[in-house]
Amino acid sequence: ILNVEQSPQSLHVQEGDSTNFTCSFPSSNFYALHWYRWETAKSPEALFVMTLNGDEKKKGRISATLNTKEGYSYLYIKGSQPEDSATYLCAFMYGNKLVFGAGTILRVKS
Amino acid sequence: GAVVSQHPSRVICKSGTSVKIECRSLDFQATTMFWYRQFPKQSLMLMATSNEGSKATYEQGVEKDKFLINHASLTLSTLTVTSAHPEDSSFYICSARDWVDQPQHFGDGTRLSIL
Repeated sequence: ILNVEQSPQSLHVQEGDSTNFTCSFPSSNFYALHWYRWETAKSPEALFVMTLNGDEKKKGRISATLNTKEGYSYLYIKGSQPEDSATYLCAFMYGNKLVFGAGTILRVKS
Repeated sequence: GAVVSQHPSRVICKSGTSVKIECRSLDFQATTMFWYRQFPKQSLMLMATSNEGSKATYEQGVEKDKFLINHASLTLSTLTVTSAHPEDSSFYICSARDWVDQPQHFGDGTRLSIL
């Protein structure tokens, strides 16, 4: 059974704080890792597709790193804002499909 | 960005009813569409993968005759929950993708409640 673990399960931070969370995945047969942001009452939105070990991608205040040898990816948010409140999902690409983690729920208080 | 439309967003119906959910890619050709189910406080669980013009590939434990999937065109896939029962109540969400190296684009999901 393929296991994709995300931690922490939830996180409450103050506006302006920087935060990060982790996605762990199998280190063998790696093809790609996806990150999505899912805001309440909206559809999940793709953030990053990461494929190369050591990759670092950035989108505004959000960035992600990838370590395929040890099987983890970090998502960082710099200077969190209330609009960053969402569930952040990672997904490991296995064959033609994605296996999702349970997500990290981020709440940013103003 | 790419847009996927899913409807209905909410269905409440009686036990025994069949319910059809549509998933459309509005501005790109979706060679592959995916159907997921989410139980409370759990991750998105893949139910099936559908490729245009061919039969869907179902995940282990998903009943093909219960969850009928049709992907008749490059922009439309449908999921029909046949003879739905209360245990089928759940959140169903579709996604679409053009190439394997691209991210998936999701619909807004359908909340199905069977009384």
